[in-house]
Parts: sequence; structure tokens; C-alpha cells
Amino acid sequence: AQKVTQAQTEISVVEKEDVTLDCVYETRDTTYYLFWYKQPPSGELVFLIRRNSFDEQNEISGRYSWNFQKSTSSFNFTITASQVVDSAVYFCALSRNSGYSTLTFGKGTMLLVSP
Amino acid sequence: GAGVSQTPSNKVTEKGKYVELRCDPISGHTALYWYRQSLGQGPEFLIYFQGTGAADDSGLPNDRFFAVRPEGSVSTLKIQRTERGDSAVYLCASTLGPAGGPGEQFFGPGTRLTVL
Repeated sequence: AQKVTQAQTEISVVEKEDVTLDCVYETRDTTYYLFWYKQPPSGELVFLIRRNSFDEQNEISGRYSWNFQKSTSSFNFTITASQVVDSAVYFCALSRNSGYSTLTFGKGTMLLVSP
Repeated sequence: GAGVSQTPSNKVTEKGKYVELRCDPISGHTALYWYRQSLGQGPEFLIYFQGTGAADDSGLPNDRFFAVRPEGSVSTLKIQRTERGDSAVYLCASTLGPAGGPGEQFFGPGTRLTVL
């Protein structure tokens, strides 16, 4: 069985602070994929990143960066210099290494960025 | 191009009634997924289609739930004898197809179902 744990229910920061959202996963598969999605107040899930388990290199995209640590089964997400528009619920998700594979989501972390 | 669309955006019904929720995926996307998101939770998988057939329906909670995709495009999620516990946002997603592993799933805005 697959499981994703996002222990932080809600995080509040002030604009320009850096913030890290934690994600810990469980799977018996040797190969798998990890995702992060953003759900703004409008409700529509927005894809942020997909990472396969073969590649443990960290990734940076603008103010966003991801730290994949296979040894600790974690895939953490950092936003640098947060902005009010970053306020949303962020979901980490796990899928099997298959072309058509369903996503197992965590419960999400609500990020509130105040001016 | 157009994204995934879902209708209605909101549906209020009474306990025991039948409802249909529609999903129109991105044109050309072969795989279609249904998820259910309860308040304060992450989306939970219900069913997915490859083309016209349900390739995996293991997430459907019971036999009151059923989904079809007769022409391999639009899908309808059907819920019979609705219960208050069915109240949730029902999300639909589609993907183009396998591309070196599971691709990005594009999500629709969801249908908020409220069972009174």
C-alpha cells in the first residue's frame, strides 16, 4: 500500500520569508513517482513538479525548490521569498511507475502568506 | 486550449436521490480519472478509464457509485441513493498517455456535491 504524510496542517508566514513544506511517503515499490500540486482558493489543482525515484537530484524552478531524499523517504518543497499569491493548499502525491497510474495524495498543507 | 471541464459546478440534492456528474477531458487525452475530495482532505482515487473501459475501479466506495465513458471522451459519474456522507468535491483529471512513466494529470475545477 502507498501512503503520503504531510504532517504540517497549516503554516503561516509573512511575505518574503522562506518556507518548507514537508512530505514523507511510504511505498513497497522500488521505482515510483512523486508529485506536488497546488490548490489555490479557486479550487483547481495545479501541477508543480513530477520526480521519479531514479533521480535524487534536487530541483529548482524560480522561487521553488524540491529536496528528494530517498534514504528518509521525503520529498520536501521550499518556497523562497514567499509571496501572498503563494497562499494555497499544497499536496504531495505518490504514484506507481506505470504509464497510467493513479495518485495517492497526502492531506495537504495550507500555506497562508500575509503581507 | 481548453482544460478539463466539469458540470455542474455545484449540485445540491436530497438524501436518496440520484445524481450525475459530468467530466469533459482535454481533447486527445486517453486516460481519465475521478477523485473525491472531502473537506480538509486530499483527493482520493475513485476510478480511472483507459479509452472507453474502466481500467481500475478499486476506489469506488460501494455499488451506489458507477461511472461510464462510452465514447472514450466525456465521462459521467453516477451516484444512486445519495447519502449525506457522499457530500464532497468530485474532481476529474485527464492525461495524454504514458510518457516514460505517469504523466501530469490535468484537473478540472470539480463539482461540489451537497447531500441534504
